[in-house]
Amino acid sequence: AQSVSQHNHHVILSEAASLELGCNYSYGGTVNLFWYVQYPGQHLQLLLKYFSGDPLVKGIKGFEAEFIKSKFSFNLRKPSVQWSDTAEYFCAVKTSNTGKLIFGQGTTLQVKP
Amino acid sequence: DVKVTQSSRYLVKRTGEKVFLECVQDMDHENMFWYRQDPGLGLRLIYFSYDVKMKEKGDIPEGYSVSREKKERFSLILESASTNQTSMYLCASSAYGNTIYFGEGSWLTVV
Repeated sequence: AQSVSQHNHHVILSEAASLELGCNYSYGGTVNLFWYVQYPGQHLQLLLKYFSGDPLVKGIKGFEAEFIKSKFSFNLRKPSVQWSDTAEYFCAVKTSNTGKLIFGQGTTLQVKP
Repeated sequence: DVKVTQSSRYLVKRTGEKVFLECVQDMDHENMFWYRQDPGLGLRLIYFSYDVKMKEKGDIPEGYSVSREKKERFSLILESASTNQTSMYLCASSAYGNTIYFGEGSWLTVV
């Protein structure tokens, strides 16, 4: 069965530190890849997505992610985090053979001012 | 903007009660989904529907059923609520092959 794994469950950073959140998936076919963010008390919002083309994808609020097909990975990065980036981040994968969106367990990011 | 509306934000129900969670989307999307979100487990798919009256089981369908009589509405039903169904429930919709949009969530507490 398809699965998505996020390596870091809880990350604590100081403002201006660089961020990288890992995401790996298990599926050998074509995938669509997503990162969603959930700020405290708010609903899930799309940060960025990859469907095809350039594997380096830029999203909102300075986030980017790189799809590395050989590693089945789609890691999220931001060069300099802000206190307002404190949130929970979810990686998600949609496979070509179903319409289902499978989520990772989520990573809680806490940014200290 | 896509709008996915979940009718109830907060519910408290007793064990054994029948519970209906309603979701409506306004973008004529074919696909609709119900997830539950639990700390440390992320979002887990309960059921999804890719057309009116069509449904497929997700990863954790036990204890749940769904109904999709109209394209814009997707209902999640707990036939007999149990305490382990206390959770946040998220509805989502998408056009075929496109981004999935989420509602604000329904917090269900079963006592």
